[in-house]
Amino acid sequence: DSGVTQTPKHLITATGQRVTLRCSPRSGDLSVYWYQQSLDQGLQFLIQYYNGEERAKGNILERFSAQQFPDLHSELNLSSLELGDSALYFCASSVDLPFGGADTQYFGPGTRLTVL
Amino acid sequence: AQSVTQLGSHVSVSEGALVLLRCNYSSSVPPYLFWYVQYPNQGLQLLLKYTTGATLVKGINGFEAEFKKSETSFHLTKPSAHMSDAAEYFCAVTLSGNTPLVFGKGTRLSVIA
Repeated sequence: DSGVTQTPKHLITATGQRVTLRCSPRSGDLSVYWYQQSLDQGLQFLIQYYNGEERAKGNILERFSAQQFPDLHSELNLSSLELGDSALYFCASSVDLPFGGADTQYFGPGTRLTVL
Repeated sequence: AQSVTQLGSHVSVSEGALVLLRCNYSSSVPPYLFWYVQYPNQGLQLLLKYTTGATLVKGINGFEAEFKKSETSFHLTKPSAHMSDAAEYFCAVTLSGNTPLVFGKGTRLSVIA
């Protein structure tokens, strides 16, 4: 158990719909990362938040958005869903050492999204 | 930009045999390197990481990896495979501890009895 929780575990929805994925980081971790895992694209970074602020953006579609709340949990919102959005979405958290170093990113169990 | 290449999308070994999973990276500056393992229907678990210092890194479950700057490699090894090692293994790179990971495509390890 990494200490990172994600809900729901599975999500089945239809094209055109909107869903929200939730992530609670490990206690004390300030950074939250979202990754998408699909068969054709592999594991791809979507977006990172640090202490409530967006820090880095990756291959995130305009239809997707995220935020990190004051209690540090994060939500990933996916709208106007398409069949190709079906994937496993992971959240990871890290403590974010102040002077660089190599923080370990701890991954949650993921949310499997199926768009029909 | 950094990138990671994992040679072999699928590796099959006999139980008790040496495990060797290959990872080469591309980075303009000294990178931080990671190996993660993913068991079916689970998240990613850190096996080991290289930051600075000793180039031979020992991880969990008997795995180790050696950072070779001249070869831009970070291959993962285990002397004797166990059935429980069957999983997907990902090599990843980042330029600092607080930036996103760039992952390889993954290598699926099968262990044959």
